[in-house]
Amino acid sequence: DVKVTQSSRYLVKRTGEKVFLECVQDMDHENMFWYRQDPGLGLRLIYFSYDVKMKEKGDIPEGYSVSREKKERFSLILESASTNQTSMYLCASSGVLKANYGYTFGSGTRLTVV
Amino acid sequence: QQPVQSPQAVILREGEDAVINCSSSKALYSVHWYRQKHGEAPVFLMILLKGGEQKGHEKISASFNEKKQQSSLYLTASQLSYSGTYFCAPPRSGNTGKLIFGQGTTLQVKP
Repeated sequence: DVKVTQSSRYLVKRTGEKVFLECVQDMDHENMFWYRQDPGLGLRLIYFSYDVKMKEKGDIPEGYSVSREKKERFSLILESASTNQTSMYLCASSGVLKANYGYTFGSGTRLTVV
Repeated sequence: QQPVQSPQAVILREGEDAVINCSSSKALYSVHWYRQKHGEAPVFLMILLKGGEQKGHEKISASFNEKKQQSSLYLTASQLSYSGTYFCAPPRSGNTGKLIFGQGTTLQVKP
């Protein structure tokens, strides 16, 4: 069964910590995405990667960075965690740059910054 | 710009029908629809393509309005398993494969 795996289901971090969220897909997909989900706001794109070492900023990249050293792995980094980054983080992947393919999502990481 | 979904929430009895709308300021050339059950990841339901063709779910359908600035998702004879939050997601400009998600519509189906 094809899937996207996020390393942690729940995380609690302190303000100012550097936080790494990991995502691995086994579908050989070119595209990978990081979204954050907040009530009433839907899913907002943080960063997008269309190939190894390639990345694009999404709508809310401030305070985040990403790394894609291998095709199957896409990491989201919170450089210095703040309480307003408390949220659900969803990783997704999709095939070649075509709009006709659906995304496959990971089960999410609920991050709490205290 | 984020599409706007309506209604924000709807409660149904099993067997009733529901319509969820997704409105955009620009013409929609295709729209993805996803469903997210509580505590789970969003799951791809279907794609509505510009010619009206649909790919995906057997029991859920979708359409564009005349100006193609709105897509509607139709859930007929709803089942308890249809409960969840529905998101529409048209591609951003161009055929980039990047989607922009609406804010979601919460559907609750009661026995």
